[in-house]
Amino acid sequence: AQSVTQLGSHVSVSEGALVLLRCNYSSSVPPYLFWYVQYPNQGLQLLLKYTSAATLVKGINDFEAEFKKSETSFHLTKPSAHMSDAAEYFCAVSGGGGFKTIFGAGTRLFVKA
Amino acid sequence: DVKVTQSSRYLVKRTGEKVFLECVQDMDHENMFWYRQDPGLGLRLIYFSYDVKMKEKGDIPEGYSVSREKKERFSLILESASTNQTSMYLCASSFLTASSYEQYFGPGTRLTVT
Repeated sequence: AQSVTQLGSHVSVSEGALVLLRCNYSSSVPPYLFWYVQYPNQGLQLLLKYTSAATLVKGINDFEAEFKKSETSFHLTKPSAHMSDAAEYFCAVSGGGGFKTIFGAGTRLFVKA
Repeated sequence: DVKVTQSSRYLVKRTGEKVFLECVQDMDHENMFWYRQDPGLGLRLIYFSYDVKMKEKGDIPEGYSVSREKKERFSLILESASTNQTSMYLCASSFLTASSYEQYFGPGTRLTVT
């Protein structure tokens, strides 16, 4: 069985500060890992994904995430927060040949001016 | 540009009504999904389909049914709407061949059942 835990339902940072959103996963097979972003009143869109190539994955809008197998983590970072980054972020895991993707509960990011 | 569209952004229905939520994708994806999104619970899978006329139950199928008569269209049906089905409903699609493929989401339908 697969599962995803996102640490912190809300994270608040100042504009220009480092963004760190935490995600830990559980999977009995090599996982595929995703970060999605949801802006207000919109659906989810892909930020980045890990598919067993490079462990450091770069996504859109300067976001990146590092796959750490030993820690079963896939934390999302951005060096400098922008007001437009305020949104909800979802970590997700899939794998094992099935169709299902398991989503975390989400972390809402607030960016203060 | 890839696109998943949902028939309504906002919907208000009465308890006991039959409700249809429609989703259309233009990417020739085999897989289509219906999720509901509730605060603090993330996305929960209701049903998915990997081919026309094929469907599989997700984690919370009770009170819902689905229909996929054409590859590009996947409908979610609430047979008799109840207040606990008030939620945001998201449709998504993806390629069949590998679970490494990401899902593409529609904008969502916010359903209120009164």
